[in-house]
Amino acid sequence: QKEVEQDPGPLSVPEGAIVSLNCTYSNSAFQYFMWYRQYSRKGPELLMYTYSSGNKEDGRFTAQVDKSSKYISLFIRDSQPSDSATYLCAMSAGGSEKLVFGKGTKLTVNP
Amino acid sequence: NAGVTQTPKFRILKIGQSMTLQCAQDMNHNYMYWYRQDPGMGLKLIYYSVGAGITDKGEVPNGYNVSRSTTEDFPLRLELAAPSQTSVYFCASSSQRDQQYFGPGTRLTVT
Repeated sequence: QKEVEQDPGPLSVPEGAIVSLNCTYSNSAFQYFMWYRQYSRKGPELLMYTYSSGNKEDGRFTAQVDKSSKYISLFIRDSQPSDSATYLCAMSAGGSEKLVFGKGTKLTVNP
Repeated sequence: NAGVTQTPKFRILKIGQSMTLQCAQDMNHNYMYWYRQDPGMGLKLIYYSVGAGITDKGEVPNGYNVSRSTTEDFPLRLELAAPSQTSVYFCASSSQRDQQYFGPGTRLTVT
C-alpha cells in the first residue's frame, strides 16, 4: 500500500459547483496535513495547512482531516475557472520526518 | 521578498553534459529541498538541507549532487546528464519541515 493515495482525476465541474478533493494515507504517525495548488507550468503553492484532526476554513476553501479514517479532504465552494489547477495533498509526521506528497488531482472548472 | 527563485527556467542538455541548477531564497529559511516532477508521478525528493553545510539524500539522489555553503543558496549539480533526467525540477524552502514554499521550476530536457 502506498503511503499517500490521491485520485489523479481529471475532474471537470461547472462553475459554481462544490468540489471535493481527497487523499488517503497509511501512516498513522502523520499529523501535519497540507494542500498545495499547482497551476500549469508553475511551482506548487501552499494553499491550506492543518494540524491533527478537524476542519480549517479559508474563504471558499475548507480542509478536513479525519485521522481515525486516515482521510483528508479539500472542499472548494462556488468554484471558479481560476481554480483550475492540479491539487496536491502533502503530509508529515513532524519533527525530522520528510513531507510525503500525493500525485495530485487535476481539476478543471468550466465557465 | 522574492521568495524562492530558480535559474534557468528552461535548458536543453546533450547526453553527457553537466550543468548546475541555481536556487536561492530570501526568507532566511533553514530547510531547502530539491524535487523533480515527472508527468503523473508526483514530486520526488532528490536532496535536502537542514542548514548551511548540511545536506542529505532524498528518494532519488543518483546522478545529482548538492552543496549548501550559505543559508540562501542551494545549487543542484547534474553530472553526465542522461535522458532519464529529463524532468521539471523544483526547489523549495521552509522554516519548519512541513510548510514548504516552492520556486517556479526549471524545465530540463536531455537529448
